[in-house]
Amino acid sequence: DQQVKQNSPSLSVQEGRISILNCDYTNSMFDYFLWYKKYPAEGPTFLISISSIKDKNEDGRFTVFLNKSAKHLSLHIVPSQPGDSAVYFCAALDQGGSEKLVFGKGTKLTVNP
Amino acid sequence: DADVTQTPRNRITKTGKRIMLECSQTKGHDRMYWYRQDPGLGLRLIYYSFDVKDINKGEISDGYSVSRQAQAKFSLSLESAIPNQTALYFCATSRGAGEKLFFGSGTQLSVL
Repeated sequence: DQQVKQNSPSLSVQEGRISILNCDYTNSMFDYFLWYKKYPAEGPTFLISISSIKDKNEDGRFTVFLNKSAKHLSLHIVPSQPGDSAVYFCAALDQGGSEKLVFGKGTKLTVNP
Repeated sequence: DADVTQTPRNRITKTGKRIMLECSQTKGHDRMYWYRQDPGLGLRLIYYSFDVKDINKGEISDGYSVSRQAQAKFSLSLESAIPNQTALYFCATSRGAGEKLFFGSGTQLSVL
């Protein structure tokens, strides 16, 4: 049973436009969410996170929105740049439970010049 | 130097062979993890360790074993490799509960 779902395997946007990557989760105990970015031939790297006590967290061009009632989060990248082309993984954590991150399957973002 | 180092970077082996993937870290973290990535399946947890004397199974531990030799070292073994263990393997560390993971660059394993 997949607890963290990224339903779009791929996304293509034009440079300068907004990229929106979506993630849904089923476990209501998840209270901390993270996005990781992965380039080919490299390990994933942490991008941004959000606690369930917030509904928005912003870091430069990257903003994560959390809608707890819908069990949905999204990552917005504005403006998108070609260097943002990578696979993005959504991950969720039950901090009071297993303390293990559960990852989605990833979305491959391509930003076209 | 990388904070989390995995060796080898690439390995081709044959069905039935024993193989060990090694991971070392210089971050001083207590928690270490082994994940595998398969196309379309994301990152799945194989084993994890919260300190030197602690070993826990993840969601896909069958066919794998691990050894935590020291705080800085966590190795993954395939006792008898099979083709469906062909994947990209990542080691990761974290400082504590709820802390972000730091990943190595990965080991691409092919079992023929």
